[in-house]
Amino acid sequence: DAGITQSPRHKVTETGTPVTLRCHQTENHRYMYWYRQDPGHGLRLIHYSYGVKDTDKGEVSDGYSVSRSKTEDFLLTLESATSSQTSVYFCAISEDIERELFFGEGSRLTVL
Amino acid sequence: AQSVTQLDSHVSVSEGTPVLLRCNYSSSYSPSLFWYVQHPNKGLQLLLKYTSAATLVKGINGFEAEFKKSETSFHLTKPSAHMSDAAEYFCVVLEQAGTALIFGKGTTLSVSS
Repeated sequence: DAGITQSPRHKVTETGTPVTLRCHQTENHRYMYWYRQDPGHGLRLIHYSYGVKDTDKGEVSDGYSVSRSKTEDFLLTLESATSSQTSVYFCAISEDIERELFFGEGSRLTVL
Repeated sequence: AQSVTQLDSHVSVSEGTPVLLRCNYSSSYSPSLFWYVQHPNKGLQLLLKYTSAATLVKGINGFEAEFKKSETSFHLTKPSAHMSDAAEYFCVVLEQAGTALIFGKGTTLSVSS
């Protein structure tokens, strides 16, 4: 299994609070991604990174920011969580844009 | 713009019968196409991928998919379903000039004994 660790795996928070999800990889892959998974929507890309300090927006980036200060870590931040951000968040990594994605186990976030 | 449509949100089969999960794509360029599988409470795992080589692609666990450019389809098949195949399946597209992968909404496969 690819070395991807997401933390926390489960979190319950209140509307308006900041939340940070962490993705840590031990594979030294260049690309890292954050997706959210919701019933009826499949997986939707939030942000991705193609190198340290190099990030770009996905299709559902509003309300989210990311940072990548080291190759191995990719952080997803919700500055002020809303109930619509209740979801399961998946981190993924790949060596190259056309190569296989390896996924973490997911982080379940509930915003009350 | 690229997009992918999975034509069935839910497919039910009996164990030992064939599986067909349908996927159509829209792309301005020659795309790369993938199928991923997700078992309950797990992350996604690659089943197979097409990247402009052979149009019939074989994957893990007996699955295969055929790229048909004229029909813009990439349907996933398996000759004989097993109970362990019950999961959610995602068709994914990446354009040649690609940014990141775009996922279909998923098809839930149920297998009954």
